[in-house]
Amino acid sequence: QVKLLQSGAALVKPGDSVKMSCKASGYTFTDYIIHWVKQSHGKSLEWIGYINPYSGGTNYNEKFKSKATLTVDKSSSTAYMEFSRLTSEDSAIYYCARNGIRGPFAYWGQGTLVTVSS
Amino acid sequence: DIQMTQSPASLSASLEEIVTITCQASQDIGNWLAWYQQKPGKSPQLLIYGATSLADGVPSRFSGSRSGTQYSLKISRLQVEDPGIYYCLQGYSAPFTFGSGTKLEIK
Repeated sequence: QVKLLQSGAALVKPGDSVKMSCKASGYTFTDYIIHWVKQSHGKSLEWIGYINPYSGGTNYNEKFKSKATLTVDKSSSTAYMEFSRLTSEDSAIYYCARNGIRGPFAYWGQGTLVTVSS
Repeated sequence: DIQMTQSPASLSASLEEIVTITCQASQDIGNWLAWYQQKPGKSPQLLIYGATSLADGVPSRFSGSRSGTQYSLKISRLQVEDPGIYYCLQGYSAPFTFGSGTKLEIK
Protein backbone atom coordinates (compact mmCIF):
# COMPACT_ATOMS: atom_id res chain seq x y z
CA GLN A 1 0.00 0.00 0.00
CA VAL A 2 1.05 3.57 -0.64
CA LYS A 3 2.87 5.18 2.27
CA LEU A 4 4.53 8.54 2.70
CA LEU A 5 6.72 8.67 5.79
CA GLN A 6 7.90 12.12 6.83
CA SER A 7 10.82 13.12 9.02
CA GLY A 8 10.35 14.10 12.64
CA ALA A 9 9.63 17.43 14.27
CA ALA A 10 12.23 20.17 14.08
CA LEU A 11 13.02 23.11 16.35
CA VAL A 12 15.00 25.74 14.49
CA LYS A 13 16.21 29.27 15.13
CA PRO A 14 15.04 32.33 13.20
CA GLY A 15 17.15 32.86 10.10
CA ASP A 16 18.14 29.20 9.87
CA SER A 17 17.04 26.66 7.27
CA VAL A 18 15.34 23.31 7.71
CA LYS A 19 15.27 20.32 5.38
CA MET A 20 12.54 17.74 5.77
CA SER A 21 11.99 14.44 4.02
CA CYS A 22 9.15 12.34 2.66
CA LYS A 23 9.98 8.70 1.98
CA ALA A 24 7.61 6.97 -0.42
CA SER A 25 6.84 3.26 -0.55
CA GLY A 26 4.28 0.92 -2.04
CA TYR A 27 4.44 2.30 -5.58
CA THR A 28 6.89 3.35 -8.30
CA PHE A 29 8.27 6.64 -6.98
CA THR A 30 8.83 8.21 -10.38
CA ASP A 31 5.22 7.65 -11.53
CA TYR A 32 3.59 10.40 -9.44
CA ILE A 33 4.40 13.99 -8.55
CA ILE A 34 4.83 14.87 -4.89
CA HIS A 35 3.07 17.93 -3.48
CA TRP A 36 4.01 19.88 -0.36
CA VAL A 37 1.39 21.64 1.77
CA LYS A 38 1.67 24.02 4.76
CA GLN A 39 -0.78 24.12 7.64
CA SER A 40 -0.23 26.84 10.20
CA HIS A 41 -1.66 26.21 13.66
CA GLY A 42 -5.43 26.29 13.58
CA LYS A 43 -5.47 27.47 9.98
CA SER A 44 -6.24 26.17 6.54
CA LEU A 45 -3.98 24.46 4.03
CA GLU A 46 -1.63 26.18 1.59
CA TRP A 47 -0.11 24.52 -1.45
CA ILE A 48 3.63 25.16 -1.57
CA GLY A 49 4.51 23.38 -4.80
CA TYR A 50 5.18 20.04 -6.41
CA ILE A 51 8.07 18.11 -7.86
CA ASN A 52 8.10 15.50 -10.59
CA PRO A 53 10.38 12.74 -9.31
CA TYR A 54 10.99 11.43 -12.83
CA SER A 55 12.26 14.67 -14.36
CA GLY A 56 13.05 16.75 -11.28
CA GLY A 57 10.79 19.45 -12.68
CA THR A 58 9.10 21.71 -10.15
CA ASN A 59 6.13 24.07 -9.92
CA TYR A 60 6.06 26.50 -7.00
CA ASN A 61 3.36 28.67 -5.52
CA GLU A 62 4.69 32.20 -6.13
CA LYS A 63 4.25 32.89 -2.41
CA PHE A 64 6.85 30.25 -1.52
CA LYS A 65 9.19 30.57 -4.49
CA SER A 66 11.97 32.29 -2.56
CA LYS A 67 11.38 30.21 0.55
CA ALA A 68 11.10 26.56 -0.52
CA THR A 69 13.36 24.27 -2.54
CA LEU A 70 12.05 20.87 -3.63
CA THR A 71 14.34 18.00 -4.53
CA VAL A 72 14.21 14.22 -4.79
CA ASP A 73 16.57 11.27 -4.41
CA LYS A 74 15.30 8.59 -6.77
CA SER A 75 17.65 5.98 -5.35
CA SER A 76 15.90 6.13 -1.97
CA SER A 77 12.42 7.13 -3.20
CA THR A 78 12.59 10.22 -1.02
CA ALA A 79 11.39 13.76 -1.64
CA TYR A 80 12.86 16.69 0.24
CA MET A 81 11.78 20.22 0.99
CA GLU A 82 14.20 22.83 2.28
CA PHE A 83 12.75 25.98 3.85
CA SER A 84 15.16 28.87 4.23
CA ARG A 85 15.48 32.14 6.18
CA LEU A 86 12.92 30.93 8.69
CA THR A 87 10.73 33.28 10.71
CA SER A 88 7.98 32.66 13.25
CA GLU A 89 5.50 32.75 10.34
CA ASP A 90 7.06 29.52 9.08
CA SER A 91 6.13 27.60 12.23
CA ALA A 92 3.63 25.06 10.92
CA ILE A 93 2.98 21.45 10.02
CA TYR A 94 4.25 20.57 6.56
CA TYR A 95 2.74 17.68 4.63
CA CYS A 96 3.83 15.84 1.54
CA ALA A 97 1.04 14.36 -0.56
CA ARG A 98 0.56 12.34 -3.72
CA ASN A 99 -2.25 12.26 -6.24
CA GLY A 100 -4.25 9.07 -6.58
CA ILE A 101 -5.33 7.39 -9.78
CA ARG A 102 -8.74 8.97 -9.34
CA GLY A 103 -8.21 12.03 -7.15
CA PRO A 104 -5.77 14.76 -6.16
CA PHE A 105 -3.86 14.65 -2.87
CA ALA A 106 -5.20 11.14 -2.24
CA TYR A 107 -2.27 10.07 -0.06
CA TRP A 108 -0.69 12.17 2.67
CA GLY A 109 2.32 11.88 4.91
CA GLN A 110 1.81 12.21 8.65
CA GLY A 111 3.24 15.73 8.63
CA THR A 112 6.40 17.37 9.99
CA LEU A 113 6.01 19.99 12.72
CA VAL A 114 8.46 22.84 12.35
CA THR A 115 8.80 25.29 15.23
CA VAL A 116 10.82 28.44 14.72
CA SER A 117 11.99 29.89 18.02
CA SER A 118 15.12 31.41 19.49
CA ASP B 1 -5.05 32.85 -8.17
CA ILE B 2 -8.41 31.10 -7.88
CA GLN B 3 -10.15 31.87 -4.58
CA MET B 4 -12.30 29.25 -2.86
CA THR B 5 -14.88 30.76 -0.51
CA GLN B 6 -16.09 28.10 1.90
CA SER B 7 -19.11 28.31 4.21
CA PRO B 8 -20.10 28.00 6.94
CA ALA B 9 -16.96 28.39 9.05
CA SER B 10 -18.48 26.18 11.72
CA LEU B 11 -21.49 23.97 12.01
CA SER B 12 -23.16 22.06 14.82
CA ALA B 13 -25.65 19.36 13.92
CA SER B 14 -27.44 16.42 15.53
CA LEU B 15 -26.81 12.79 14.76
CA GLU B 16 -28.71 11.54 11.69
CA GLU B 17 -29.18 15.13 10.50
CA ILE B 18 -28.35 16.22 6.93
CA VAL B 19 -25.33 18.52 6.71
CA THR B 20 -24.30 20.65 3.73
CA ILE B 21 -21.06 22.57 3.24
CA THR B 22 -20.42 24.78 0.22
CA CYS B 23 -17.48 26.21 -1.69
CA GLN B 24 -17.71 28.99 -4.23
CA ALA B 25 -14.95 29.24 -6.81
CA SER B 26 -13.89 32.69 -8.04
CA GLN B 27 -13.84 31.40 -11.64
CA ASP B 28 -14.77 28.35 -13.65
CA ILE B 29 -12.90 25.26 -12.45
CA GLY B 30 -15.08 22.65 -14.14
CA ASN B 31 -15.21 19.51 -12.04
CA TRP B 32 -11.71 20.00 -10.61
CA LEU B 33 -12.97 20.13 -7.05
CA ALA B 34 -12.19 17.79 -4.19
CA TRP B 35 -13.32 17.55 -0.56
CA TYR B 36 -11.24 16.46 2.43
CA GLN B 37 -11.91 15.63 6.05
CA GLN B 38 -9.30 16.33 8.71
CA LYS B 39 -9.54 15.04 12.25
CA PRO B 40 -7.47 16.51 15.13
CA GLY B 41 -3.82 15.56 14.90
CA LYS B 42 -4.32 13.72 11.59
CA SER B 43 -3.61 14.36 7.93
CA PRO B 44 -6.47 15.32 5.61
CA GLN B 45 -8.35 12.44 3.99
CA LEU B 46 -9.81 12.57 0.48
CA LEU B 47 -13.60 12.17 0.44
CA ILE B 48 -14.79 13.40 -2.95
CA TYR B 49 -12.94 14.10 -6.22
CA GLY B 50 -14.09 15.35 -9.59
CA ALA B 51 -16.80 17.30 -7.68
CA THR B 52 -19.09 14.28 -7.40
CA SER B 53 -17.06 11.03 -7.26
CA LEU B 54 -16.69 9.17 -3.98
CA ALA B 55 -13.12 8.24 -3.04
CA ASP B 56 -12.29 4.63 -2.21
CA GLY B 57 -13.52 3.49 1.18
CA VAL B 58 -15.59 6.60 1.88
CA PRO B 59 -19.11 5.90 3.21
CA SER B 60 -21.95 6.50 0.78
CA ARG B 61 -23.58 9.03 3.12
CA PHE B 62 -21.04 11.52 1.72
CA SER B 63 -21.86 13.05 -1.64
CA GLY B 64 -20.75 15.99 -3.76
CA SER B 65 -22.58 18.19 -6.20
CA ARG B 66 -21.95 21.16 -8.47
CA SER B 67 -24.03 24.07 -9.69
CA GLY B 68 -21.96 26.32 -11.89
CA THR B 69 -19.06 27.53 -9.76
CA GLN B 70 -20.70 26.49 -6.49
CA TYR B 71 -19.84 23.13 -5.04
CA SER B 72 -21.46 21.30 -2.14
CA LEU B 73 -20.59 18.44 0.15
CA LYS B 74 -23.54 16.70 1.74
CA ILE B 75 -23.53 14.26 4.62
CA SER B 76 -26.89 12.57 4.42
CA ARG B 77 -27.07 11.18 7.98
CA LEU B 78 -24.51 12.59 10.38
CA GLN B 79 -22.67 9.91 12.32
CA VAL B 80 -20.62 10.08 15.50
CA GLU B 81 -17.36 9.63 13.54
CA ASP B 82 -18.00 12.56 11.17
CA PRO B 83 -16.87 15.57 13.29
CA GLY B 84 -13.74 17.25 12.03
CA ILE B 85 -12.71 20.04 9.70
CA TYR B 86 -13.75 19.81 6.07
CA TYR B 87 -11.85 21.52 3.24
CA CYS B 88 -12.47 21.95 -0.45
CA LEU B 89 -9.62 22.09 -2.96
CA GLN B 90 -9.53 23.40 -6.51
CA GLY B 91 -7.19 21.31 -8.64
CA TYR B 92 -7.92 23.17 -11.89
CA SER B 93 -4.85 25.36 -12.03
CA ALA B 94 -1.77 26.13 -9.97
CA PRO B 95 -1.45 27.51 -7.41
CA PHE B 96 -3.92 24.93 -6.14
CA THR B 97 -6.04 26.50 -3.42
CA PHE B 98 -8.01 25.20 -0.47
CA GLY B 99 -11.11 26.63 1.16
CA SER B 100 -10.81 28.10 4.65
CA GLY B 101 -12.39 25.03 6.25
CA THR B 102 -15.64 24.15 8.01
CA LYS B 103 -15.50 22.83 11.56
CA LEU B 104 -18.26 20.28 12.05
CA GLU B 105 -19.38 19.29 15.54
CA ILE B 106 -22.09 17.09 16.96
CA LYS B 107 -24.81 18.98 18.82
